[in-house]
Amino acid sequence: NAGVTQTPKFRVLKTGQSMTLLCAQDMNHEYMYWYRQDPGMGLRLIHYSVGEGTTAKGEVPDGYNVSRLKKQNFLLGLESAAPSQTSVYFCASSYPRRLAAGEQFFGPGTRLTVL
Amino acid sequence: GENVEQHPSTLSVQEGDSAVIKCTYSDSASNYFPWYKQELGKRPQLIIDIRSNVGEKKDQRIAVTLNKTAKHFSLHITETQPEDSAVYFCAARALGTDKLIFGTGTRLQVFP
Repeated sequence: NAGVTQTPKFRVLKTGQSMTLLCAQDMNHEYMYWYRQDPGMGLRLIHYSVGEGTTAKGEVPDGYNVSRLKKQNFLLGLESAAPSQTSVYFCASSYPRRLAAGEQFFGPGTRLTVL
Repeated sequence: GENVEQHPSTLSVQEGDSAVIKCTYSDSASNYFPWYKQELGKRPQLIIDIRSNVGEKKDQRIAVTLNKTAKHFSLHITETQPEDSAVYFCAARALGTDKLIFGTGTRLQVFP
């Protein structure tokens, strides 16, 4: 099993460009999450999904959109990138809390730089 | 909403000493408290967790304690080793939600 994978690993964008980050998991998890990690600020939740076709806002959703068309994939989109979106992005997945303790399994991260 | 504070932000210890990291949370309804370890350039990984119906949990050299009344929980690492050097994050999940709120992290350095 590959676990949680993310594509791409690195990306450099110019201000105003758009891009999509892909997260895939092969553990049949219902829940998926997108976080951003900035120095000194920990992991902040952007958006999350509790099942195929559903999405919800996290702590810092502005400037991002998400889609969960397939259970195994969770896409994070930046429509018009800004320098403030320079960060490391982590995807995670988990079983529903009613079925398991709630451990989230993280992907390897995507380092995004917006110039 | 839930807010999690974590201290200290950096911690340096000598190999063999103990290390303690503390977190406080704001939502008394929180019922699940995991700790994640993130090595440099790697993904966060769960090392231990505790539920609100338990006061303490141990796993070899690491332990977590929870004080629900004071709304704080702590990670204890005994007999530290250089491979314990990493950033540690605490988190809390409020009852009825599926979201984890993370602390800002503690960078632990263990010197040989």
